[in-house]
Amino acid sequence: DVKVTQSSRYLVKRTGEKVFLECVQDMDHENMFWYRQDPGLGLRLIYFSYDVKMKEKGDIPEGYSVSREKKERFSLILESASTNQTSMYLCASSSDSLYGYTFGSGTRLTVV
Amino acid sequence: DAKTTQPPSMDCAEGRAANLPCNHSTISGNEYVYWYRQIHSQGPQYIIHGLKNNETNEMASLIITEDRKSSTLILPHATLRDTAVYYCIVRVDPYNTNAGKSTFGDGTTLTVKP
Repeated sequence: DVKVTQSSRYLVKRTGEKVFLECVQDMDHENMFWYRQDPGLGLRLIYFSYDVKMKEKGDIPEGYSVSREKKERFSLILESASTNQTSMYLCASSSDSLYGYTFGSGTRLTVV
Repeated sequence: DAKTTQPPSMDCAEGRAANLPCNHSTISGNEYVYWYRQIHSQGPQYIIHGLKNNETNEMASLIITEDRKSSTLILPHATLRDTAVYYCIVRVDPYNTNAGKSTFGDGTTLTVKP
């Protein structure tokens, strides 16, 4: 089975902290994505990457950055966490095929 | 990416067919329709996708209208475990440099009742 693993299920951070959310996939997928999910707003795309060291902004990139140094790992970085970044963060990967995304289980981040 | 519109919630009796509609009136010719579902506190799970022909797999059937402006996901015999949020999205062919990125709306919360 394809697995997308997110490093933490729950995370509590303080305002102003630098936060790293890690995502690893084991199926050699080219594409990786970070979404955040908030009630009433659905899943919103933050950043995505279609190759190592490549990144593209999604719909809501402000306040976030990403890193993809290896094909299997895609990190989401909150440079200075703020309370409005409290959310569920979902990582996904996909191949260059018509098969759909595989999502991780999510990281629920609370910024206090 | 085309936007999709889904009803916010639906109920279905256990054992009956669940028919979940989706409107995607601005879909482009190179965009596919995908369906996912999300069970509480898990990541979304891929169900099925299609371009213009109807599709069926072990989980569900997908009916796409001839003009491709809407589709219906059919769960033929809904069970209590099918209670979830169902998302309909459109996605460009991932060979495109957009890597097949998609926008998810709020989806439809399907509640299967005994």
